[in-house]
Amino acid sequence: VHLVQSGAEAKKPGSSVKVSCKASEDIFRGYGVSWVRQAPGQGLEWMGGIIPMFETTTYAQQFQGRVTITADENSNTAYMELRGLRTEDTAFYYCAKQHGAALYDPWGQGTLVTVSS
Amino acid sequence: SYVLTQSPSVSVAPGQTARMTCGGDNIGSETVHWYQQKPGQAPVLVVSDDRDRPSGIPERFSGSNSGNMATLTISRVEVDDEADYYCQVWDMTTDHVIFGGGTKLTVL
Repeated sequence: VHLVQSGAEAKKPGSSVKVSCKASEDIFRGYGVSWVRQAPGQGLEWMGGIIPMFETTTYAQQFQGRVTITADENSNTAYMELRGLRTEDTAFYYCAKQHGAALYDPWGQGTLVTVSS
Repeated sequence: SYVLTQSPSVSVAPGQTARMTCGGDNIGSETVHWYQQKPGQAPVLVVSDDRDRPSGIPERFSGSNSGNMATLTISRVEVDDEADYYCQVWDMTTDHVIFGGGTKLTVL
């Protein structure tokens, strides 16, 4: 399975960004997709995930109300939308195939989102 | 919330053994995964479920987990092993995924 993410984005503060993650094959049967971000020079930060089969989403508390994760099973594509962007949201955003509760393999190549006025 | 503590850096010479720790309250009762991230690349799973190696990961990589510490061990370290390593667990009380702060492995 390969996960291919959409290209880099440059956004203004206060705007929104939607990043896509397309799988090379059907991964939604029994698996989930999670999103993790990494600010420049920083560690990994879990944002949330979706299990399409059960139509359930879970979000990290610090992103509640600002992030929405969705999945389109017909196109094997997952999406992460982040609203109310701030300069500190500048980061690489990664999707990953989720096995079980939290095993992530493989990961997408990452999408750089830059927030600047 | 659950916290995972990793040493910021570890340095070893080629051919030696590198041990990277991940501390957490009674982490031995949790399931720990380890990821390797090289500069400019996405993370890669190197150890799953405390001690299992995914297909394609060299036998030099091993994991253990007991008490308040999980450990990733890399035997016969190679220059190509130089990377950041992250431990990860699922906190069932909050249904949140937790990452450690990462350890930078430098191969001297």
